[in-house]
Amino acid sequence: LAKTTQPISMDSYEGQEVNITCSHNNIATNDYITWYQQFPSQGPRFIIQGYKTKVTNEVASLFIPADRKSSTLSLPRVSLSDTAVYYCLVGDDSGAGSYQLTFGKGTKLSVIP
Amino acid sequence: KAGVTQTPRYLIKTRGQQVTLSCSPISGHRSVSWYQQTPGQGLQFLFEYFSETQRNKGNFPGRFSGRQFSNSRSEMNVSTLELGDSALYLCASSEGLAGQETQYFGPGTRLLVL
Repeated sequence: LAKTTQPISMDSYEGQEVNITCSHNNIATNDYITWYQQFPSQGPRFIIQGYKTKVTNEVASLFIPADRKSSTLSLPRVSLSDTAVYYCLVGDDSGAGSYQLTFGKGTKLSVIP
Repeated sequence: KAGVTQTPRYLIKTRGQQVTLSCSPISGHRSVSWYQQTPGQGLQFLFEYFSETQRNKGNFPGRFSGRQFSNSRSEMNVSTLELGDSALYLCASSEGLAGQETQYFGPGTRLLVL
C-alpha cells in the first residue's frame, strides 16, 4: 500500500506563512484531500478540504496540482496557537480492492515567538 | 448540532479481555469511521460503516470488529486484548462516504491494556 508522506516537523516564527506538503501517489479518483489539525489529548479538527486546484477558507489555503499526487496546506501569518500536529488524509486506492483512508504521519508545527 | 461523542473516554483492561467502544455521530450523518492512534504508528484506519454496512476495512486483525445501528450509532469491539492494543481510538462521522466528505472527529477513547 502506497504511503502518504509529509515532513515530520517544521518550525516557524509568528507572523510567517507556513506551507506543508503531503505526497499521496495512489489517491482514489473520486476522493477529496483533507487536512486536519490536532492538539494534544484532542481529536483531529477539520481545517480544509479540496479536490483539485486551489481552495481557500478563513484559516488556510490548499493547493492541489492537476495530477493530485500531492497537496500543500498553506497557513498565512501563523500565531503561537497554531502550534499543533497537521495531518493530511486521503482515500488511498492501490487497486485490487485495497481502498483505505490513509493519514500521513503528521507534521508537528512549532511556532516560535 | 451536538458533536461526535465517544464513550467511555478512558478504559483500563487486562490482556485477554475484550472491550466495546461506542460512538454517537452528528445527527444526520450516515458514515462512521474508526481510527487507532499510537505514538509509533500514528493514525491508522480501522473501518468505515455507512448505513449499517461496512464499506472499507484497514489492515487490522479480525479481533477488531464493528457494527453500526439504524440510528447511525456505532460500536467497535476488540477481543482478546493485547498490550499493543493500547491506544487512542477515534471515531469520525460524515454525511456521506468518508473519503468524499468532511469527517468530524470525537475526542477519542483512551484504552490502556495491562
